[in-house]
Amino acid sequence: DAGVTQSPTHLIKTRGQHVTLRCSPISGHKSVSWYQQVLGQGPQFIFQYYEKEERGRGNFPDRFSARQFPNYSSELNVNALLLGDSALYLCASSSLVGNTIYFGEGSWLTVV
Amino acid sequence: AQSVTQLDSQVPVFEEAPVELRCNYSSSVSVYLFWYVQYPNQGLQLLLKYLSGSTLVKGINGFEAEFNKSQTSFHLRKPSVHISDTAEYFCAVRTEAGGTSYGKLTFGQGTILTVHP
Repeated sequence: DAGVTQSPTHLIKTRGQHVTLRCSPISGHKSVSWYQQVLGQGPQFIFQYYEKEERGRGNFPDRFSARQFPNYSSELNVNALLLGDSALYLCASSSLVGNTIYFGEGSWLTVV
Repeated sequence: AQSVTQLDSQVPVFEEAPVELRCNYSSSVSVYLFWYVQYPNQGLQLLLKYLSGSTLVKGINGFEAEFNKSQTSFHLRKPSVHISDTAEYFCAVRTEAGGTSYGKLTFGQGTILTVHP
């Protein structure tokens, strides 16, 4: 079975631009969450979606938004990129049983 | 709100030696506890988890951890490490409460384990 898949794996953007990151959860998982991991730090929670509804939001500005589609895949959007948005963006999926959260390989975003 | 403190940012150790990576948490409600490993330029892989029951949990790659509620700790141990264990290790917590909020983990800052030959 495929794990959590994310795209793109690497991208470079210019300050002020917009970026969209994509995530496909493990088959059967209805919950998707997003994390930002800045170099040298632990992942920070950004969003969680379950059944296409936002269920949690971390301490991130409104420039960050996300959505979940009927097939449970998800997009993370970041507007007006800042240098400080450079990070590894991790997507994770989970089911209502098992209490295990599985992570993808991440999308490396560099803002120049 | 909960928080996680990993007491060592870096732990160097020689191959075949034992290792302990320390993790303390703070929460006003009951929590689930996790250890993840991150190899260079990769995502997070689950090592083990504590949900309930026995306080000693065993995970993959020979790792184990012990939940100590009175000390609010969840230290990770391995009796004999290998070169391939070199990676960054993250302790994380999730509250029991929250219904369908299964996606929110609070992570520590990470401990870089370096195994020397």
